[in-house]
Amino acid sequence: RKEVEQDPGPFNVPEGATVAFNCTYSNSASQSFFWYRQDCRKEPKLLMSVYSSGNEDGRFTAQLNRASQYISLLIRDSKLSDSATYLCVVNGGSYQLTFGKGTKLSVIP
Amino acid sequence: GAVVSQHPSRVICKSGTSVKIECRSLDFQATTMFWYRQFPKKSLMLMATSNEGSKATYEQGVEKDKFLINHASLTLSTLTVTSAHPEDSSFYICSASATSYEQYFGPGTRLTVT
Repeated sequence: RKEVEQDPGPFNVPEGATVAFNCTYSNSASQSFFWYRQDCRKEPKLLMSVYSSGNEDGRFTAQLNRASQYISLLIRDSKLSDSATYLCVVNGGSYQLTFGKGTKLSVIP
Repeated sequence: GAVVSQHPSRVICKSGTSVKIECRSLDFQATTMFWYRQFPKKSLMLMATSNEGSKATYEQGVEKDKFLINHASLTLSTLTVTSAHPEDSSFYICSASATSYEQYFGPGTRLTVT
C-alpha cells in the first residue's frame, strides 16, 4: 500500500463549482498533515495545514479523520486560478514529508 | 518571510559532467534542508536530508557518491550531481526548515543532461 494515496484526476469542473479531493495515508503515527498546491513546472506551495478539528481558509476547507487515516480538501466557488495539482502531504515525524502524487484540477470557464 | 532561493533555475549539461545546485534560505536560518527530485507526472521524492555541519542522510536507492550534498551554513546547502547521465534529467527542488513543522520550498532547478 502506498504511503499517501490520492485520486490523480484530472478533475475538470466549471467555474463556481464545488470540488472535493480525498487522500488516505498508511502511517498511523503520522503527526501533521498539509495540502500543497503545485502549478505546472513550479515548486509546491503550502495551501493549508490540516487540523483534527477541521479548518477553513476562505473557500478552502480541510478535514482530517485520524481513525480512518483520511484527509480531504473542499474548494467552493472554484476560480480559474485554482487550476493546479493539489498534493496531500503527511509528516511522519523527524521533519520528513511524504507527498501524494497529487490530484490535478482544471477549472473551466 | 520564509523565502528559499535556488540557483540555477535551469541547467543543461553534457553527460559525464558535474552540476552544482545551490539552495539558500534568505530570511531565516534553516536547521535542516531537504533535496527532492520530481520526474514528469510523478510525486516529489525525497533524496536526502541535511543538517548544517553534519553529513546528509540519504534515502534508500539514492547514491551518496553521485549526489553530493554540502550543508555548509544555516542558510546554504548545495547538491552536486556528479558524472551526470541523461536519466538524471529531472526537476530538483530543495526545501528548508527551521522547525519540524513546516518546510519552505525553493523554486526548483530543471536539469537536462544531453
